[in-house]
Amino acid sequence: GDSVTQMEGPVTLSEEAFLTINCTYTATGYPSLFWYVQYPGEGLQLLLKATKADDKGSNKGFEATYRKETTSFHLEKGSVQVSDSAVYFCALSDEGGYQKVTFGIGTKLQVIP
Amino acid sequence: KAGVTQTPRYLIKTRGQQVTLSCSPISGHRSVSWYQQTPGQGLQFLFEYFSETQRNKGNFPGRFSGRQFSNSRSEMNVSTLELGDSALYLCASSEGTAPIHYGYTFGSGTRLTVV
Repeated sequence: GDSVTQMEGPVTLSEEAFLTINCTYTATGYPSLFWYVQYPGEGLQLLLKATKADDKGSNKGFEATYRKETTSFHLEKGSVQVSDSAVYFCALSDEGGYQKVTFGIGTKLQVIP
Repeated sequence: KAGVTQTPRYLIKTRGQQVTLSCSPISGHRSVSWYQQTPGQGLQFLFEYFSETQRNKGNFPGRFSGRQFSNSRSEMNVSTLELGDSALYLCASSEGTAPIHYGYTFGSGTRLTVV
């Protein structure tokens, strides 16, 4: 079945540091890939997405590129802020899976001033 | 437009009781999906409803059930509660007419504590 693998963290960075959160996936066919973010006490918010190979999703300074050859969708940001502290989830939706989305375990990011 | 509304935000129940959670999706969205979020298991898919029909179901026991009404609002029910059912239950809505290329919109969740 479908699966998403990402490190659990926590990842602790100083403000303005470079961020990478790795995500790899297993799926049949050509899934759509997503990053969601969850702030404390809230539900998940869609951060960015990519629907086909080599697509780059970007939003709020975050970006991720759909790499089919390495089945990866790593999240990056050039300069993190304290306000980026949250849990980040990588997810996929298989093309035949209608509304079922498979999530990774989530990576907690802590940014210290 | 209004977001996804889940009620109640918090619940405390006793083992053996049953509970009903409610979700109102974004206006115009016909698909509602439910997820259970726990620290150890992450987000686990419960089920998805579209136009009052369950279209997809995860690997949860029959104590977990749901339904969707004609206005797309959805409820999920958990009977004979166990301590392990303590979790954040998240509802997500989407337009539902195609594979989910556009992502979900999530509610803030219902935090269920079973004592």
